[in-house]
Amino acid sequence: DTAVSQTPKYLVTQMGNDKSIKCEQNLGHDTMYWYKQDSKKFLKIMFSYNNKELIINETVPNRFSPKSPDKAHLNLHINSLELGDSAVYFCASSQGTSGGHFYNEQFFGPGTRLTVL
Amino acid sequence: AQSVSQHNHHVILSEAASLELGCNYSYGGTVNLFWYVQYPGQHLQLLLKYFSGDPLVKGIKGFEAEFIKSKFSFNLRKPSVQWSDTAEYFCAVSPYGGATNKLIFGTGTLLAVQP
Repeated sequence: DTAVSQTPKYLVTQMGNDKSIKCEQNLGHDTMYWYKQDSKKFLKIMFSYNNKELIINETVPNRFSPKSPDKAHLNLHINSLELGDSAVYFCASSQGTSGGHFYNEQFFGPGTRLTVL
Repeated sequence: AQSVSQHNHHVILSEAASLELGCNYSYGGTVNLFWYVQYPGQHLQLLLKYFSGDPLVKGIKGFEAEFIKSKFSFNLRKPSVQWSDTAEYFCAVSPYGGATNKLIFGTGTLLAVQP
């Protein structure tokens, strides 16, 4: 059973297009995340949702819009794709709060390699 | 701003050699600490984590890490590496008790183990 799954695994597209990446977790977790890994392997948080509520929104261009239809899903839609958006995008999930604090071991999906031509 | 430094960007070892990868963070409060591994073409997997208690933490595949609060460090160690340990290793920090739950990653260390 895949705990955190992402589709598609690979995405090749032209500049200016709009694309979406989907993420699903079957761990019963409350919190989900999107990370971007650049060509130098550096990982940076983009967004996080807790129980469908946006709790982290780093300085990401507003061409990127996350959507969480329910707490098991967090999708990432990207408008007007640019060359610099080429990266591997990782979805992750973790349990929610425990005693008022986030219990934050995160489980990662397999990644989506986005290539913008 | 919170940050994580991994000073070894690329490490090459022979099988059976001992490994130590450095990780330092900058944050004044309590933190949760993690080491993740990314094997070639795969997703990140948790090696070990430190939340509280014994600062020497044992993880999977014979890895361990020691949290030294006074040095803001969480170095990863393995006494004898194998070819299958070839991977990218990421140290990550999460401030404890904050309003968010983000992981702040270091830039990664690429370990190549030669047979």
